[in-house]
Amino acid sequence: DAGITQSPRHKVTETGTPVTLRCHQTENHRYMYWYRQDPGHGLRLIHYSYGVKDTDKGEVSDGYSVSRSKTEDFLLTLESATSSQTSVYFCAISEEGISPGLTYEQYFGPGTRLTVT
Amino acid sequence: QQQVKQSPQSLIVQKGGISIINCAYENTAFDYFPWYQQFPGKGPALLIAIRPDVSEKKEGRFTISFNKSAKQFSLHIMDSQPGDSATYFCAASYEYSNSGYALNFGKGTSLLVTP
Repeated sequence: DAGITQSPRHKVTETGTPVTLRCHQTENHRYMYWYRQDPGHGLRLIHYSYGVKDTDKGEVSDGYSVSRSKTEDFLLTLESATSSQTSVYFCAISEEGISPGLTYEQYFGPGTRLTVT
Repeated sequence: QQQVKQSPQSLIVQKGGISIINCAYENTAFDYFPWYQQFPGKGPALLIAIRPDVSEKKEGRFTISFNKSAKQFSLHIMDSQPGDSATYFCAASYEYSNSGYALNFGKGTSLLVTP
């Protein structure tokens, strides 16, 4: 494992409630990412971070926000959960690659299965 | 819109056979092409990756073939084993400004290797 933990691993919540998912890394990597995985869609980028307090939107960012106050933690918040946000959420990390073979390699956490009822 | 198209969606191969999964892309700015392997209930794991300055990369039983002019790349699994049964994702990435190297994934191929 690449030193990535996600919490919670499973969560069931009701429509309209806020939900926060946590990604924690022990690798001191600069870049962190949140993806969602849905059948027939592969993995899609929600938000990413390129440093503490530096974040930007990905492909499917509507309804999500993120925060990164420490290098090791990247939080994903569903401001008002909807059934369409039922998914498996993966966090990934990558280091600032400057050497061949290291550039761009992303390592994924174990995922959080979120069900919105 | 899917920037990386992957086929087939599912694949059944006999033990000892060759599994081949194909991907195609349009964005010529992509310059890093990894393959990920995912088992049920687990996160994707980096399997092998290639940069466009080479046409082939081999690691054990896994080989990436890359055709830059056709904008296609493929994963070959030689001597496929039942333990290779998993979902495989191709992806493509490029560096943009200061903000990282987010991956664009294909939709995945479910591989079943039968005994």
